[in-house]
Parts: sequence; structure tokens; C-alpha cells
Amino acid sequence: EDQVTQSPEALRLQEGESSSLNCSYTVSGLRGLFWYRQDPGKGPEFLFTLYSAGEEKEKERLKATLTKKESFLHITAPKPEDSATYLCAVPHFGNEKLTFGTGTRLTIIP
Amino acid sequence: EAQVTQNPRYLITVTGKKLTVTCSQNMNHEYMSWYRQDPGLGLRQIYYSMNVEVTDKGDVPEGYKVSRKEKRNFPLILESPSPNQTSLYFCASSVTSGSYNEQFFGPGTRLTVL
Repeated sequence: EDQVTQSPEALRLQEGESSSLNCSYTVSGLRGLFWYRQDPGKGPEFLFTLYSAGEEKEKERLKATLTKKESFLHITAPKPEDSATYLCAVPHFGNEKLTFGTGTRLTIIP
Repeated sequence: EAQVTQNPRYLITVTGKKLTVTCSQNMNHEYMSWYRQDPGLGLRQIYYSMNVEVTDKGDVPEGYKVSRKEKRNFPLILESPSPNQTSLYFCASSVTSGSYNEQFFGPGTRLTVL
């Protein structure tokens, strides 16, 4: 069964303190991995898609990387507005299903 | 403005009373999907649709029905709601495949079944 696990569940950082969020997965035939950001009371917003191991993508203070078993979302010098829940998602092989992890709730303290 | 809209945003109902949550997108997207979000369980896919008249089950389809008669609309139907369907529901759409392309999410519908 395809599984997606995110860690940690919650992370509190001081403003400017860099860190990484982890998304590990067990799927047959990885076709890609998505990262989304979700603010309280809102729907998720797309951040990145990574399609193959070794791929990296950046957006402002965020950088996503992908290996054969996991993905990392690195956040550099975060600001309070980066506070949100970060979700990763992996498509199933052979159909159009998408499995999300339970997310990492990130809080940046000023 | 490109968007996914859901109605209603909040709904309190009683067990067994049929309800429909509407979802509409104005981006001419082929793919649409419904998710439910519960604390500790994350976002789980209920149903998805690749195009008009083409729907398929996600991971948690029991107790739900969908239909896709028009490209822009994808209603979620609960024929006989039960308390375990109390949840936050999101509709999403994508240009084509939702497993290859980013999905655009609606604002959510908070459903309480008493």
C-alpha cells in the first residue's frame, strides 16, 4: 500500500532559523511528488512538483529536493509569514489517485 | 478571476438527511477531485473525475456519490449522512491529470452531521 509520512508533525522556529521538513514515501513507480502550503481555514496552495530523484526546485526561502525514498523542504531564514502547514503528496502508480501526508505545522516566532 | 468555488461553506445537518455540496471551476479544467480533511488523518481523496462522465474512487469513497455532467461542475452527494462524515471538505481541479499537474483547491466546506 502506498504510504506518505511527514515529519516532524510540528516545528517551531525562531525567525531566521533555517530547518528542513521531511516527506518519506513508499510507492511503486514514483511518478512525482508535490508540495503544498495550507494556511488555517484555507485550501492548500501549490508550491512545487518534483519528478525525479536528484531534482531540486526553489521559491523564495523554500527549496524542495527529492531522493528515491524521500523529499525535503528546506526553509532558509524563515519569516513569520512562512508559518503554515506544509503538505506533500504522491500520485499512485497506474491511476489518478493522490495520497497526501498528514503535514508539518510550521510556526515561525518573531 | 480563476477560481474553484464551493457551496455552502458551512453546513450543519442531521443524520440521514440527504445533502449536496457544489463545486465549480472557471478554468476549463478537465480533472476535478474531492477530499476530506480530518485532524490526524490529513487530506484524503474521496472521488476524482478525469472529464465529463468519467469518475473514479479515491481512497475513502464509502458513503459518497459524485457526478460530472458538465465540465465546470463536480457536486458531492451524501445520500444518508452520518456523524463520521463530519469533516472539512475540499474540491480541487487541475488542467488535465491531477497526478501530474498542480491542483487548485476551493476554500473548503465545513460539514457537521449531528
